Amino acid sequence: AQSVTQLGSHVSVSEGALVLLRCNYSSSVPPYLFWYVQYPNQGLQLLLKYTSAATLVKGINGFEAEFKKSETSFHLTKPSAHMSDAAEYFCAIQGTGGFKTIFGAGTRLFVKA
Amino acid sequence: DGGITQSPKYLFRKEGQNVTLSCEQNLNHDAMYWYRQDPGQGLRLIYYSQIVNDFQKGDIAEGYSVSREKKESFPLTVTSAQKNPTAFYLCASSTSGELFFGEGSRLTVL
Repeated sequence: AQSVTQLGSHVSVSEGALVLLRCNYSSSVPPYLFWYVQYPNQGLQLLLKYTSAATLVKGINGFEAEFKKSETSFHLTKPSAHMSDAAEYFCAIQGTGGFKTIFGAGTRLFVKA
Repeated sequence: DGGITQSPKYLFRKEGQNVTLSCEQNLNHDAMYWYRQDPGQGLRLIYYSQIVNDFQKGDIAEGYSVSREKKESFPLTVTSAQKNPTAFYLCASSTSGELFFGEGSRLTVL
């Protein structure tokens, strides 16, 4: 069975500081991995996705994530946080050729001025 | 603009009543999904449909029902059998693995 674990339900950073949101996965088949962002009372939108091409994936709004098979990780980073990055972030996994996407519990990012 | 439209955005119901949440998409996607979101629990899959006239139970299907009579539409009914229906409900469609979400419907049971 596939699963996703996000370390830390809340992360707080200062504006301009590095953002690091952690995600570890479990899968018996090569996975597709995703990061989605959710602003209050809205649906989710895709930040980036890994589909077995380049291990370093660049997404929207300056975010990127690196797929590390040896560590079963797919951590999300951004070099410099902006106030507008404050939101909830979800890591998700989907098995190759599958239709079910499994989500982590989410990490809420706070950005301090 | 193409996208997913959910309605209503907010809904209140009394205990014992069934309620139907609407989800319409104009993205021409075959697959559609319903997720339930509760604080601290991420998104949990209720039902999904890969093609018209076919759907499968997700992880928490008890107390819910769906239909898929048209490619564009995937309504969700929250029945009185659902013990704890107050939640934020998200509809999505997908292509190439990526999910496209609606704005969500917040259901509160009084």
